[in-house]
Amino acid sequence: GAVVSQHPSRVICKSGTSVKIECRSLDFQATTMFWYRQFPKQSLMLMATSNEGSKATYEQGVEKDKFLINHASLTLSTLTVTSAHPEDSSFYICSARVSGSRVEQFFGPGTRLTVL
Amino acid sequence: AQKVTQAQTEISVVEKEDVTLDCVYETRDTTYYLFWYKQPPSGELVFLIRRNSFDEQNEISGRYSWNFQKSTSSFNFTITASQVVDSAVYFCALSEPIQGGSEKLVFGKGMKLTVNP
Repeated sequence: GAVVSQHPSRVICKSGTSVKIECRSLDFQATTMFWYRQFPKQSLMLMATSNEGSKATYEQGVEKDKFLINHASLTLSTLTVTSAHPEDSSFYICSARVSGSRVEQFFGPGTRLTVL
Repeated sequence: AQKVTQAQTEISVVEKEDVTLDCVYETRDTTYYLFWYKQPPSGELVFLIRRNSFDEQNEISGRYSWNFQKSTSSFNFTITASQVVDSAVYFCALSEPIQGGSEKLVFGKGMKLTVNP
C-alpha cells in the first residue's frame, strides 16, 4: 500500500520554541493532507485540512497562528507548532489523500511532541 | 454533522474468545464511507476496512468480520478467536464531505481491547 512518512517521530522541546513536523507521501501524490492531534487515551481530532498550493482550512477552536501549515508540494505538508507550551504536548498524526480519489487516504506513523 | 459513537470504552477478554466492537453512526449524507482502524501501543494507525454506504454486504477477512446495517446505522466489528496481538485501541470512523470534493474522517472515541493469555 501507499506510504506516508512523518519526521521526526519524537521530539522534545523547551517551552516557547517552535517545532516543525513534516508529512510526506512517498509513492503517491496528495492534493490534500490532514493533520490530527491525539491526546493520551483520547480519539483523533482533526486540526486542519491542508491543500497543496492554498491556505489550510482549520477546524473550529484550532489557532491558525499557532499551528502553521504549509503544503508546498504534492508530496509534502508541514505543521509548525509555534511558541510551544506543555499543553501542546500530544501525538500528531497526518494523513494524505490520494490525488484523484475522494476518500482514499493513508496515515503517517505519528509524531510524539513533548514540550517541557 | 457526522457523529460516531463507540459505546464501549474498554473490553478485556481471554484469548480465543470472540469479541464484537460496536459502532453507531449519524449522518445526513446518502453517500458516505465507514472505516475501522487499529491503533497498537506504537501509535501507528492500521487500516482495517473501508465500506461505502451502498455496499451492505458483510465482510470477512480471516478472523475479522464486519456487519454493516444501514437500518440501525451500525457498523460492528467482530474478532473471532481473539489473540494477544489483537490488543489495541480500535477506532470506527465516518467520512464527511468537505470543500474541494474530498472527505475528512470523523472518529469515534475508540475502544481499548485487551486480550489476556
